[in-house]
Amino acid sequence: SQTIHQWPATLVQPVGSPLSLECTVEGTSNPNLYWYRQAAGRGLQLLFYSVGIGQISSEVPQNLSASRPQDRQFILSSKKLLLSDSGFYLCAWSAGLAGGIQETQYFGPGTRLLVL
Amino acid sequence: AQSVTQLDSHVSVSEGTPVLLRCNYSSSYSPSLFWYVQHPNKGLQLLLKYTSAATLVKGINGFEAEFKKSETSFHLTKPSAHMSDAAEYFCVVSDPGSARQLTFGSGTQLTVLP
Repeated sequence: SQTIHQWPATLVQPVGSPLSLECTVEGTSNPNLYWYRQAAGRGLQLLFYSVGIGQISSEVPQNLSASRPQDRQFILSSKKLLLSDSGFYLCAWSAGLAGGIQETQYFGPGTRLLVL
Repeated sequence: AQSVTQLDSHVSVSEGTPVLLRCNYSSSYSPSLFWYVQHPNKGLQLLLKYTSAATLVKGINGFEAEFKKSETSFHLTKPSAHMSDAAEYFCVVSDPGSARQLTFGSGTQLTVLP
């Protein structure tokens, strides 16, 4: 069966510091990978998605970036954090398109980021 | 363009009574629809999904949802609420024309009273 891991679970960082959040998937090959942010009291916002190694699509302009160095590894980074970067970051994977039907996305446990 | 509206931001029920969480969608194509549940400080867990098969979809933990194209609705129901059902619920639409993206509703917070 497939599992998705995220770490760290929680993180407190000062404004202006760098960020690196990691997501890994087990039990599947060539997944689509996604980064979402959930701000307090708000819905989910898609930040990045990737359909393969080195292929990243950005959905929202911001000071964050994403990389996919390996097939089942997805990293979210920032060089300098802003207060507005605080939130709950969720990684998700899907098996990709099949017959034109969007496959289900499965979510990781999330990382709670607080920028002070 | 696709969109989804969850009609209630908060729903409160007593334990043992029925649950109804309402969702309306808009899509240019025949959409796929999902319900996810999120417990505090946890990731999202898939409850059920509709992908153009049977209009009544059964999910985990006794939840089910009915796809009604004429009403563009996909309401989530459960006959009898349990304390462990207290969580936030998200209705999600996926439009085949938009390939990689899901559109999330704003969420409904379900409170279950003893």
